[in-house]
Amino acid sequence: QSALTQPASVSGSPGQSITISCTGTSSDVGGFNLVSWYQHYPGKAPKLMIFEDSKRPSGVSNRFSGSKSGNTASLTISGLQAEDEADYYCCSYASSISLVFGGGTKLTVL
Amino acid sequence: QVQLQESGPGLVKPSETLSLTCTVSGYSISSAYYWGWIRQPPGEGLEWIASIYHSGSTNYNPSLKSRVTMSVDTSKNQFSLKLTSVTAADTAVYYCARDVGGGANDCWGQGTLVTVSS
Repeated sequence: QSALTQPASVSGSPGQSITISCTGTSSDVGGFNLVSWYQHYPGKAPKLMIFEDSKRPSGVSNRFSGSKSGNTASLTISGLQAEDEADYYCCSYASSISLVFGGGTKLTVL
Repeated sequence: QVQLQESGPGLVKPSETLSLTCTVSGYSISSAYYWGWIRQPPGEGLEWIASIYHSGSTNYNPSLKSRVTMSVDTSKNQFSLKLTSVTAADTAVYYCARDVGGGANDCWGQGTLVTVSS
């Protein structure tokens, strides 16, 4: 299985919105409603931000939202804040009864 | 509050076996959910390694399947990872996590760095 494709980096100014894409195939992203997104600060444990494509765990800000179209999932962060600067990873269930992560996207808040 | 903590050697020699244990507190692993391992090599992204269901059934990353074994010890509320024939490419921070379904890992350990070197 190949890693899902994410942009290496994205950036935005405080208050703006950004979107991170995650492209897979019909055997993973497009085949199941099971894409999750993680926020990862270096040296810390990753944090679940979105699961089942678009659901937010309790306690996660509603500034974070997930969506999907075909084989591409997206994470949108609105009202960008300095504390959102982190690495973001998508993850999908795959038909090989496994999980596959994206390569990660570094978000810079300008 | 569910907490996970990885433990095991921080240094493993090439060709030997990497063994890690994850101790769970605040939740009985025999109750439900998948319990898994995810790693991050230095400067790289996250890679899913394996998961074990509370009943004991396992799922492995196809690229690592020949070298990986997971097990669970419900009496100690722990689950373990063994990775055989390690090389420098297995050097990584290893995380244990709870998967509440479909890859939604909602609780993570802090991670432990394992270096493969002679």
